[in-house]
Amino acid sequence: GAVVSQHPSRVICKSGTSVKIECRSLDFQATTMFWYRQFPKQSLMLMATSNEGSKATYEQGVEKDKFLINHASLTLSTLTVTSAHPEDSSFYICSALAGASDTQYFGPGTRLTVL
Amino acid sequence: KQEVTQIPAALSVPEGENLVLNCSFTDSAIYNLQWFRQDPGKGLTSLLLIQSSQREQTSGRLNASLDKSSGRSTLYIAASQPGDSATYLCAVKGQAGTALIFGKGTTLSVSS
Repeated sequence: GAVVSQHPSRVICKSGTSVKIECRSLDFQATTMFWYRQFPKQSLMLMATSNEGSKATYEQGVEKDKFLINHASLTLSTLTVTSAHPEDSSFYICSALAGASDTQYFGPGTRLTVL
Repeated sequence: KQEVTQIPAALSVPEGENLVLNCSFTDSAIYNLQWFRQDPGKGLTSLLLIQSSQREQTSGRLNASLDKSSGRSTLYIAASQPGDSATYLCAVKGQAGTALIFGKGTTLSVSS
């Protein structure tokens, strides 16, 4: 089956620093990838849609200058949390869309803790 | 804007019981619906995917039904086991190429 990886799986950083999370589709090409955020005991909230070679589309209320998304290739999308603050601490999950079947495959998630 | 609601939010049952988890969505014009399982602190495991033209899907002890016109889906778990304890998430896709929209989930606890 299709596999999506995320790196790192867990990161702890100091307030004010930037953190980059990578999402890779390992055995298929993904023109479209999605980024979600999940707070404790909450559901997954869509943050943005990432399309290869173009600018990401952000959901209402998500700051595009704070959450930088780059989808530079058909197998890699990155999310950079800039100037991270404790309220950005969350579980970030990416998902890659397999075009032929329109099935979303999810990465294992990245736990971000901002001190 | 599509909204997905799951009832109940939490459920505790003894081992061996059959149970039903409910999912409703406000916009019936969906492309597909998917059920996932999430263990604490972990990612998502896809359980069943139902296309808009389908009425149900089955996998082992799991059966998911879809009534698109009424905006409802149910996940039926037969003969529950302690290993079934997890959060179950329902998600709908409005159109091909768009993102899944998730409900808040039902947290299931099965006691032995």
